[in-house]
Amino acid sequence: GQSLEQPSEVTAVEGAIVQINCTYQTSGFYGLSWYQQHDGGAPTFLSYNALDGLEETGRFSSFLSRSDSYGYLLLQELQMKDSASYFCAVRDYNTDKLIFGTGTRLQVFP
Amino acid sequence: DGGITQSPKYLFRKEGQNVTLSCEQNLNHDAMYWYRQDPGQGLRLIYYSQIVNDFQKGDIAEGYSVSREKKESFPLTVTSAQKNPTAFYLCASSTSGGVRTGEQFFGPGTRLTVL
Repeated sequence: GQSLEQPSEVTAVEGAIVQINCTYQTSGFYGLSWYQQHDGGAPTFLSYNALDGLEETGRFSSFLSRSDSYGYLLLQELQMKDSASYFCAVRDYNTDKLIFGTGTRLQVFP
Repeated sequence: DGGITQSPKYLFRKEGQNVTLSCEQNLNHDAMYWYRQDPGQGLRLIYYSQIVNDFQKGDIAEGYSVSREKKESFPLTVTSAQKNPTAFYLCASSTSGGVRTGEQFFGPGTRLTVL
């Protein structure tokens, strides 16, 4: 089966840089995705890494290392509006289902 | 504007009653999904459908049922067999390319409370 582990909570101040890690145990997957969810809201897609390496999208970057079974989301120049929960997810080779991680709650302080 | 709508936003039901949650999309997406989210938890897949008139069980399908008679609609029924139905329910859809990349578009969710 698949399991994706994330830290439950991360805190940082405005303007800082924060890294949210995702470690996984999986028999095979297509790539690593990241989602953002504000309290009471719907998850929104942030990024996708099909290959190892760093993908940059504005203030957000995502990294994948299949050999280390590890990925992370990097948020730069943090803003108050970045306070949300962040989920990593993988699409399973065998079932095509999207498996979500446990989620990390990011709190940004002034 | 294209998007996914779920109704109602809040729903209260008495224990033992079946309840149907609506999900409609006008994005012309083939695939649709239902997830359950409990407080402080990740998303767990209930059912998914990749084409009309076909659907598969997810990880926690017991006590739920779905139908996919139209491309735009994927209603979820929470039956009385579901032991702990109080949760936040999220519907999502994706293109075939989105299925590959894991990009799904989510509706605003329905918060179901069973009294």
